Amino acid sequence: GAVVSQHPSWVICKSGTSVKIECRSLDFQATTMFWYRQFPKQSLMLMATSNEGSKATYEQGVEKDKFLINHASLTLSTLTVTSAHPEDSSFYICSARFKDYNEQFFGPGTRLTVL
Amino acid sequence: AQKITQTQPGMFVQEKEAVTLDCTYDTSDQSYGLFWYKQPSSGEMIFLIYQGSYDEQNATEGRYSLNFQKARKSANLVISASQLGDSAMYFCAMRDRSYQKVTFGTGTKLQVIP
Repeated sequence: GAVVSQHPSWVICKSGTSVKIECRSLDFQATTMFWYRQFPKQSLMLMATSNEGSKATYEQGVEKDKFLINHASLTLSTLTVTSAHPEDSSFYICSARFKDYNEQFFGPGTRLTVL
Repeated sequence: AQKITQTQPGMFVQEKEAVTLDCTYDTSDQSYGLFWYKQPSSGEMIFLIYQGSYDEQNATEGRYSLNFQKARKSANLVISASQLGDSAMYFCAMRDRSYQKVTFGTGTKLQVIP
């Protein structure tokens, strides 16, 4: 199956700093990438959908100015958590899909802890 | 709006037995897709099986099969011959017609007992 990587796998930062998470599709060109957030023992909540070369579509309740998503190429999408606060601590997972394929391939996730 | 409902927060199954994990959905789309994913404690999401809304046959992948009942809007996952390694969270998910939105259920924690 296709491989999606995320970097970093975990990050600890101070409140008020910004954190960038990268999501890469390693062996295919991802026309669409998804960013999810998962709190402990809860489900995945879709934050935004991004298509290469266009602005991300954010889900209701997700602050686009706080969670900046860039999908600059067919193999890379980034999520930047700006001015992070402890309530932003969560497990962030990206996924990618190639047009005409049903399956979306998930990255291993990034655990963010904001102190 | 799409909605996925998993009513079983936790399930136990004896090793080598079969188990069914329930999933019902709601959507106004005529074209959609349904997935099941496994999430072990490591956090990775592992794709198990996919069913398209127009697929006439129930999907099967090895020990996994999807019992798709379109009129009842249900897409239950059946795991045959359970193994200890099957212990994990299982999520049902649905994509919309344009594949621009994927909605996940709340998950079912499956524990396989030796």
